[in-house]
Amino acid sequence: DTAVSQTPKYLVTQMGNDKSIKCEQNLGHDTMYWYKQDSKKFLKIMFSYNNKELIINETVPNRFSPKSPDKAHLNLHINSLELGDSAVYFCASSQERTKYFGPGTRLTVT
Amino acid sequence: AQTVTQSQPEMSVQEAETVTLSCTYDTSENNYYLFWYKQPPSRQMILVIRQEAYKQQNATENRFSVNFQKAAKSFSLKISDSQLGDTAMYFCAFMKHVGSNFGNEKLTFGTGTRLTIIP
Repeated sequence: DTAVSQTPKYLVTQMGNDKSIKCEQNLGHDTMYWYKQDSKKFLKIMFSYNNKELIINETVPNRFSPKSPDKAHLNLHINSLELGDSAVYFCASSQERTKYFGPGTRLTVT
Repeated sequence: AQTVTQSQPEMSVQEAETVTLSCTYDTSENNYYLFWYKQPPSRQMILVIRQEAYKQQNATENRFSVNFQKAAKSFSLKISDSQLGDTAMYFCAFMKHVGSNFGNEKLTFGTGTRLTIIP
């Protein structure tokens, strides 16, 4: 069983489009995150949710909107995609201070 | 704000040898956690090892061990008897302790070290 899953794994789209990435965890964790890994492999937190409540919003443009319909899901919607949004996006969940990452979604904006 | 520095962008070592990856961090916090994550070409982020700052004993996980020097703010990873499957990017990460305020515990990553194990 996959602990943290993301769909899709790859996403290629044109500038200006709107797209969503879905994340689900079956670990029973209360806290979920979105991290972004840029082209230089640098990882940075974007958002965190605890029990469906937004906790961290790390100066991310308003075009990015996370949504947590329940504790097991944290989706990321991106409006008006830009070239600079091209990156790998990782979802994670955590329990007892250890984070478990999903497989990542490689987003390419052309 | 916390910073994490990995001064070795790339390293390579012969299979079966031992290799040490360095990591230093800067923080004014006293309670925190340190992690090493591995990212193989599959791009999955895999937890290698975790260290609580309040523990003096260095963490070990099979062939992986750390040298945690709290005063020096150093957290190096030693891989013994290296294997081809150890080829990956390795990220050092810091997380401060925030009590019961779950969701407010974010990882601050270093820039990574690309490790290649040579057959």
